[in-house]
Amino acid sequence: AQSVAQPEDQVNVAEGNPLTVKCTYSVSGNPYLFWYVQYPNRGLQFLLKYITGDNLVKGSYGFEAEFNKSQTSFHLKKPSALVSDSALYFCAVRVRLMEYGNKLVFGAGTILRVKS
Amino acid sequence: DVKVTQSSRYLVKRTGEKVFLECVQDMDHENMFWYRQDPGLGLRLIYFSYDVKMKEKGDIPEGYSVSREKKERFSLILESASTNQTSMYLCASSPFGASGRFLDTQYFGPGTRLTVL
Repeated sequence: AQSVAQPEDQVNVAEGNPLTVKCTYSVSGNPYLFWYVQYPNRGLQFLLKYITGDNLVKGSYGFEAEFNKSQTSFHLKKPSALVSDSALYFCAVRVRLMEYGNKLVFGAGTILRVKS
Repeated sequence: DVKVTQSSRYLVKRTGEKVFLECVQDMDHENMFWYRQDPGLGLRLIYFSYDVKMKEKGDIPEGYSVSREKKERFSLILESASTNQTSMYLCASSPFGASGRFLDTQYFGPGTRLTVL
């Protein structure tokens, strides 16, 4: 089955330190990968996506993600965490459907807590 | 900016009631989606629609139906609500991608937290 896995339920990091939120994928063919963030009592917001090209993708709010084909990973990173980055983060992969285009399959989510 | 709105932020219903969740998007997107979000399970796709009056089952369609009479509106219907349908429901929309029907970025509404008693 085509899927993504987020191996950490929660990641804790001190403000100012670099952060990494992990994601691995399992798809046939070339993966289209996404990161979304959900702040408390809000819907999901798009952060970034990897379609093709440069393995380092830059997104909103200073986040970036590194695509690694050999490790089938797409980890989200930020050089210096902010308390306001505390939220729920979802990794997703595009799955091709037979006739109707595509759908997204989401991971279970990782809670990021940044402490001052 | 893309705006996706959902009719209610919080909803409390009783078992057996018929429940309507409404979603409206203002960006003329072809694709619309309904997900439910549960802790530890992430988002699971209930139904989606790629055109007016078209609907396709997602991964967990049982107990739900949908309606898309207009391009901007996508309704989720719980014919007879049950307690295991207590959840956060998220609506999303997206345009066709540059390659035709290939999915581009999805834009989400704020969610409806439904409690079934």
